Amino acid sequence: KNQVEQSPQSLIILEGKNCTLQCNYTVSPFSNLRWYKQDTGRGPVSLTIMTFSENTKSNGRYTATLDADTKQSSLHITASQLSDSASYICVVSDRGSTLGRLYFGRGTQLTVWP
Amino acid sequence: EADIYQTPRYLVIGTGKKITLECSQTMGHDKMYWYQQDPGMELHLIHYSYGVNSTEKGDLSSESTVSRIRTEHFPLTLESARPSHTSQYLCASSAPDGSGNTIYFGEGSWLTVV
Repeated sequence: KNQVEQSPQSLIILEGKNCTLQCNYTVSPFSNLRWYKQDTGRGPVSLTIMTFSENTKSNGRYTATLDADTKQSSLHITASQLSDSASYICVVSDRGSTLGRLYFGRGTQLTVWP
Repeated sequence: EADIYQTPRYLVIGTGKKITLECSQTMGHDKMYWYQQDPGMELHLIHYSYGVNSTEKGDLSSESTVSRIRTEHFPLTLESARPSHTSQYLCASSAPDGSGNTIYFGEGSWLTVV
């Protein structure tokens, strides 16, 4: 069964600190992996998208890594800000159909305290 | 920034009422989706469309129906709402890019059935 597991489920850090969120997946055949940020009561917004051949990709203070061999990805947030408080969702797409079926993790709820 | 719009954002209705959640996108995307998301849980695909006059049911069984008469419009209808339909409904659209299909989400419609 294709699955996407994220850890931790929730995380509290102080403003200015760094943190790393984890995503493990079993989706096969793999097409790409996305990290989304979802503010409370809003729709998810794409942060990064990575294909099989990409190991790391940055978007400002967000850096995503991908190890396609171990089927693991991480999202590292540097110098956290209060506005980083949100749910971070890992989404993996397969390439077994024209739709490119998406598999969603449950998200990591990040809270940044001042 | 994604040009995909959902209305209403928040709705409280009585059991048995008929409701339609509107979704429009101005990006000319062929693929559109409806997801259902309960608080703290992952997104579940309930409907999708490849283009005009194309609609398919998603992974999660839903009593809702959709239509796709125009490319930019993908409304979702519940003929007789029940409390079990209380949830957040997210509309999305996608188009191919260099890394695959990037999904753009609307802000979501929060439905409460009392």
